[in-house]
Amino acid sequence: SAVISQKPSRDICQRGTSLTIQCQVDSQVTMMFWYRQQPGQSLTLIATANQGSEATYESGFVIDKFPISRPNLTFSTLTVSNMSPEDSSIYLCSAEGQGETQYFGPGTRLLVL
Amino acid sequence: GESVGLHLPTLSVQEGDNSIINCAYSNSASDYFIWYKQESGKGPQFIIDIRSNMDKRQGQRVTVLLNKTVKHLSLQIAATQPGDSAVYFCAENYQAGTALIFGKGTTLSVSS
Repeated sequence: SAVISQKPSRDICQRGTSLTIQCQVDSQVTMMFWYRQQPGQSLTLIATANQGSEATYESGFVIDKFPISRPNLTFSTLTVSNMSPEDSSIYLCSAEGQGETQYFGPGTRLLVL
Repeated sequence: GESVGLHLPTLSVQEGDNSIINCAYSNSASDYFIWYKQESGKGPQFIIDIRSNMDKRQGQRVTVLLNKTVKHLSLQIAATQPGDSAVYFCAENYQAGTALIFGKGTTLSVSS
C-alpha cells in the first residue's frame, strides 16, 4: 500500500488569500487525485493530477480556482485560490496503488474566515 | 452521472453484534468496488475491495458481498467493536486509472 502525507494538516485562512496543499507519496505512482469533502458529506473529485501535463478537472472545478501541480511521480500540490468561506472543507489527496486500489492522505482541514 | 448511494445514513449496534452496511450503485459497467472506513479527523482508510467477477470476498472480520443483478454491495462486520465506530463509504470504479465514485456514507455507532 502507498503511504500518503499531506501538509498542512489544517489551516485557518482569511478570505481572498490562497493556500497551497502538498501531497507526498512514499512510492512512485501513476495516478494521483484531489478530492474535497464538505463537513458531514461524501468525497467529491476535484481533479486528476497528471504527471507532466495539465490536470483534468471535474465539472464545477476550474484551474484558475484550484491550480494543481504534479512535478514528479511522488508529489502533487493543490492551491485553493482567492478563498471564500464556501471553500471551508477537507481536502484529500489520493494515489492509485497496485490493482486500482486508491489510498488516501490524512486530509487538510481548511477554515476560511 | 453515475452515482453510488447507501441505503441508511446511520446504523447503531451493540458491541459484539454483526453489522451490515449496504450500498447501491448505478453504473453496471463498474468492475471494481472498495469499502473505506473514515474515522473522525482522518482520511478514508481502505478496508476491503472486490472485483465484478466475484460475489464475495472475506477479510479479517469483514466480508463484502456483491450482487451484480441488482447492483448492490454490502459490508458485513463480524463481532463489531467500539473501534469500528466510523463513517463507511463504498466506492466504485469502472476503469483503471480513473477516480473513484463515492457513495454518501453510513455512520456506524457501536455502543458497549
